[in-house]
Amino acid sequence: NAGVTQTPKFQVLKTGQSMTLQCAQDMNHNSMYWYRQDPGMGLRLIYYSASEGTTDKGEVPNGYNVSRLNKREFSLRLESAAPSQTSVYFCASGGAFYEQFFGPGTRLTVL
Amino acid sequence: GENVEQHPSTLSVQEGDSAVIKCTYSDSASNYFPWYKQELGKRPQLIIDIRSNVGEKKDQRIAVTLNKTAKHFSLHITETQPEDSAVYFCALDTGRRALTFGSGTRLQVQP
Repeated sequence: NAGVTQTPKFQVLKTGQSMTLQCAQDMNHNSMYWYRQDPGMGLRLIYYSASEGTTDKGEVPNGYNVSRLNKREFSLRLESAAPSQTSVYFCASGGAFYEQFFGPGTRLTVL
Repeated sequence: GENVEQHPSTLSVQEGDSAVIKCTYSDSASNYFPWYKQELGKRPQLIIDIRSNVGEKKDQRIAVTLNKTAKHFSLHITETQPEDSAVYFCALDTGRRALTFGSGTRLQVQP
């Protein structure tokens, strides 16, 4: 029972490159989330999926796209990376009563 | 969207003392109020949560109190230990199966 897993752990991109961050959960949760955390700051919601087949924008969706591939997997794509997207990205899954559990994070640097 | 303010931003206490972190919010529709602990370089971890039908909840040295009328909730840590040193985030539900997070409190427990 791994909980929430994310790949990769670290990534360095050049401005304009694209990449997809992968997230998977084995807790049979319906909801999944993507957050970004900038140094010394809190967590800001990028996109979320309340159930399989649905996605919604969060607080900071610009520059990102998401795909809820199935109940277990929720990916985040950066089509054209910018230095402002340098951050730590956390995926989370949500239980039936709003509680959320986080993955280990992906540390992304855009040069 | 929902706004949550968290104070203080930093807190330094002596080992064995108590620590209190407070969050205030504006949307009276929120019904779920979790607290997360994040150690340096790690993922946020849920440590305690409270729902709007109760006023206080305890788990060993940690307690959370909720005042829905005044729209604030607080985390109380008693008999602090060096391993309590971390960043603590409050959060609340937005009513759309998503959470909004406070900006965090860096707690340092001095041995």
